[in-house]
Amino acid sequence: AQTVTQSQPEMSVQEAETVTLSCTYDTSENNYYLFWYKQPPSRQMILVIRQEAYKQQNATENRFSVNFQKAAKSFSLKISDSQLGDTAMYFCAFMKLSGNTGKLIFGQGTTLQVKP
Amino acid sequence: DVKVTQSSRYLVKRTGEKVFLECVQDMDHENMFWYRQDPGLGLRLIYFSYDVKMKEKGDIPEGYSVSREKKERFSLILESASTNQTSMYLCASSPAGRGAHSYGYTFGSGTRLTVV
Repeated sequence: AQTVTQSQPEMSVQEAETVTLSCTYDTSENNYYLFWYKQPPSRQMILVIRQEAYKQQNATENRFSVNFQKAAKSFSLKISDSQLGDTAMYFCAFMKLSGNTGKLIFGQGTTLQVKP
Repeated sequence: DVKVTQSSRYLVKRTGEKVFLECVQDMDHENMFWYRQDPGLGLRLIYFSYDVKMKEKGDIPEGYSVSREKKERFSLILESASTNQTSMYLCASSPAGRGAHSYGYTFGSGTRLTVV
């Protein structure tokens, strides 16, 4: 069975600085997708970034980028130029391809506090 | 704006009550999911449905059942609520096939259920 581990329950960063959130996963699959979701205090889960396992190039979305190390089964999220609005809980998630239904398996979450 | 709508934001129920949590999506998605979110445990999959009247157990189905009579609506049922079912419940939907793999899920805003 696949598992996703986020070993940092809480992190903080000063506004405008860079922070990296860690995520590791365990799978025997070769083809899968990885996601980072953000959950602000409003509770609405927002997709931040996604990575296809067969692509070697790391995904980037504006200030958000990932460091995907397939052999190490590591998928960290880097937030550059942190903003107060980045304060949220962040979840790493794994999706195995299974017919027409992809099930997301989530990590425990990391609460990020951006300080002014 | 596409949406997944959960009928209640907060709910308080008594032990032993039958509880219905409702979720409606307007995106014509084939797949729908119910997760519960607990501190330190992340999101765990309870049940999912890949078509009308079709359902599959997730990782923690005990004490829950689901109903999907129409494509847009997916209900989670707590047959006899217990205090250990106090949690945040999140509904999500995704298209079938590559859509799910490419775009992940769209989530509702969650129902915080307290069983007393």
